[in-house]
Amino acid sequence: DQQVKQNSPSLSVQEGRISILNCDYTNSMFDYFLWYKKYPAEGPTFLISISSIKDKNEDGRFTVFLNKSAKHLSLHIVPSQPGDSAVYFCAASGLNRDDKIIFGKGTRLHILP
Amino acid sequence: NAGVTQTPKFRILKIGQSMTLQCAQDMNHNYMYWYRQDPGMGLKLIYYSVGAGITDKGEVPNGYNVSRSTTEDFPLRLELAAPSQTSVYFCASSYSGGRSYNEQFFGPGTRLTVL
Repeated sequence: DQQVKQNSPSLSVQEGRISILNCDYTNSMFDYFLWYKKYPAEGPTFLISISSIKDKNEDGRFTVFLNKSAKHLSLHIVPSQPGDSAVYFCAASGLNRDDKIIFGKGTRLHILP
Repeated sequence: NAGVTQTPKFRILKIGQSMTLQCAQDMNHNYMYWYRQDPGMGLKLIYYSVGAGITDKGEVPNGYNVSRSTTEDFPLRLELAAPSQTSVYFCASSYSGGRSYNEQFFGPGTRLTVL
């Protein structure tokens, strides 16, 4: 059973427009959420995170929104740039030190020229 | 800093062979992890370590072994390779304290094929 679900395997967005990547989770014990970005032949790199005490966290062009009641989070990229083409993994964890990170299957984002 | 390094980048094994995937980090992180990523899937945790001499199983440990004799190194051992172990393997590390412990730094991966 998937505790972290990314239901869109891929997404295509025009350069300059907004990219919205969605993620749903089932475990109500998750308290910390992360997005990772992965280019081909490279390891994932941390992008942005949010804890359950917030509903929004912003870092430059990247904003993550958290809706705890709906168990849903989303990553907004504005404006989208060609270098944003990558696979994005949503991940979740509890706040305890030994809680493991659970990853979704990823969404492949294509930024179209 | 080199960050997290993994060797080899690619390897082809025959069924029943054994090998060790190497992982090293130079960030003085206490926590280290091994993940595998199968095509179209997310990352699955194989083993992890919270410090030298301490290791524990993750979600998919069967067929693998690990050791952590130093802070820097965390090798992953496959004893009897099976086709089901064909995957991309990622090593990661993280800080030991505070909320940033969850922000893991990943190596470039080892692509393993078992034929």
